[in-house]
Amino acid sequence: GEDVEQSLFLSVREGDSSVINCTYTDSSSTYLYWYKQEPGAGLQLLTYIFSNMDMKQDQRLTVLLNKKDKHLSLRIADTQTGDSAIYFCAESYSSASKIIFGSGTRLSIRP
Amino acid sequence: GAVVSQHPSWVICKSGTSVKIECRSLDFQATTMFWYRQFPKQSLMLMATSNEGSKATYEQGVEKDKFLINHASLTLSTLTVTSAHPEDSSFYICSAVSSSGNTIYFGEGSWLTVV
Repeated sequence: GEDVEQSLFLSVREGDSSVINCTYTDSSSTYLYWYKQEPGAGLQLLTYIFSNMDMKQDQRLTVLLNKKDKHLSLRIADTQTGDSAIYFCAESYSSASKIIFGSGTRLSIRP
Repeated sequence: GAVVSQHPSWVICKSGTSVKIECRSLDFQATTMFWYRQFPKQSLMLMATSNEGSKATYEQGVEKDKFLINHASLTLSTLTVTSAHPEDSSFYICSAVSSSGNTIYFGEGSWLTVV
């Protein structure tokens, strides 16, 4: 079945790197996503990676995929207060398929 | 860029009444739309897949007679919560699949409070 798991909370110091981890069970997942949700707001697609890729970097964001272990991570370099939000890992079979979300990781930044 | 609009953004209704939420793709056609529900401090749970011109496909545990979905055109899907109860209070988010680009876009969500 489809299951996506994440740790619920992460606290980092401002300026440090944040690493949010995710595991998924569906080996047929082709697209793996990271979404950001700020309080009371909708979803913002941060980045996504295809299952045939190991890594994707976009400015402060680095996504690592270990397909063998079905493990996905999001690294945010130089974490800022504006990065405080809930980060959802998600997967889908194709770009037009339903997206299954993880439980979300609440990232808090301490001074 | 592509935009998916939900209306209303906020709605308060009395227990026992029905409320309709619209999901509209503004500058693209969407043969498929998805409806999600998010309870406070929880993840997004897929409720149903809405296909234009056909019946929606509901996820296990979602009552199709309570959550009516109509996808009557290529740009509009509606979710009607019938006989709403306080436990239906939630954040409802839709997403739409671009027919041409095979890309999914999310709406900004609709807050429903049943009193």
